[in-house]
Amino acid sequence: DAGVIQSPRHEVTEMGQEVTLRCKPISGHDYLFWYRQTMMRGLELLIYFNNNVPIDDSGMPEDRFSAKMPNASFSTLKIQPSEPRDSAVYFCASSSDLRTGPYSNQPQHFGDGTRLSIL
Amino acid sequence: RKEVEQDPGPFNVPEGATVAFNCTYSNSASQSFFWYRQDCRKEPKLLMSVYSSGNEDGRFTAQLNRASQYISLLIRDSKLSDSATYLCVVTRGGADGLTFGKGTHLIIQP
Repeated sequence: DAGVIQSPRHEVTEMGQEVTLRCKPISGHDYLFWYRQTMMRGLELLIYFNNNVPIDDSGMPEDRFSAKMPNASFSTLKIQPSEPRDSAVYFCASSSDLRTGPYSNQPQHFGDGTRLSIL
Repeated sequence: RKEVEQDPGPFNVPEGATVAFNCTYSNSASQSFFWYRQDCRKEPKLLMSVYSSGNEDGRFTAQLNRASQYISLLIRDSKLSDSATYLCVVTRGGADGLTFGKGTHLIIQP
C-alpha cells in the first residue's frame, strides 16, 4: 500500500536557483498539505489543497514560494529564487475528508520529506 | 502566546518508568487533538487521537482538559523504543490544517 511519495529526498543547490519539490498523495485522499520543519520554528503548515484547489496559503512565507496541484495525484512546491533561509525539511501530507465531526480522527499521512539545503 | 506550546525537553527517563508531558493550546475553538510521534530524521506519524473523555492505547494514555486548554500524554512502563519527539497537534476541525507544537523530546535510558 503506497504511502505519500515525495521527491527528491535530498536537494542541495546554490542560492538563487529554482527548486521544485514534488508530492504524490495517497490515492483517494482529497486533502494535501505542505509543511516545512526547522529546528527554530518546528513544523509549519505552508498551504493545503482540497480536491486540487488551494484552500489556505496563509503560511506561505512570501512570493518566492508557490504551490500547484494540477491533478489529484500530483502536487509541486516551488521556490524561486531560493535563499539559504529556505533550508529545511519539507513534508507533504495527505488525508481523507477532515469533516468528520468535532472528534475527527482522520490522520494525516506524511511523506518521508525532502531535505533542502540552499548554499 | 503561541498557538500550541510544549516543553521541548529533553526528558531523560529510565526504562520502565512512567513519564507524562503536557501541551497547552491557545484557541478555545480548537476541536480535535492528536499526539504524533517523530523519530529522528523521519516523518511525523499519528500516535493517537485525544478524546474529551480520555483514552488509552496500551501503555499510552491521552487526556484533554478543555477548561484549562491542555492535553497530556502518559507513557507507562517506558521502553527504549519510546525515545522520540512527541508532537502535540490541534485543529479547529472542519476544513483546516493541523497546528503542531514544536515537540517534546523524550529519551529513554537503559
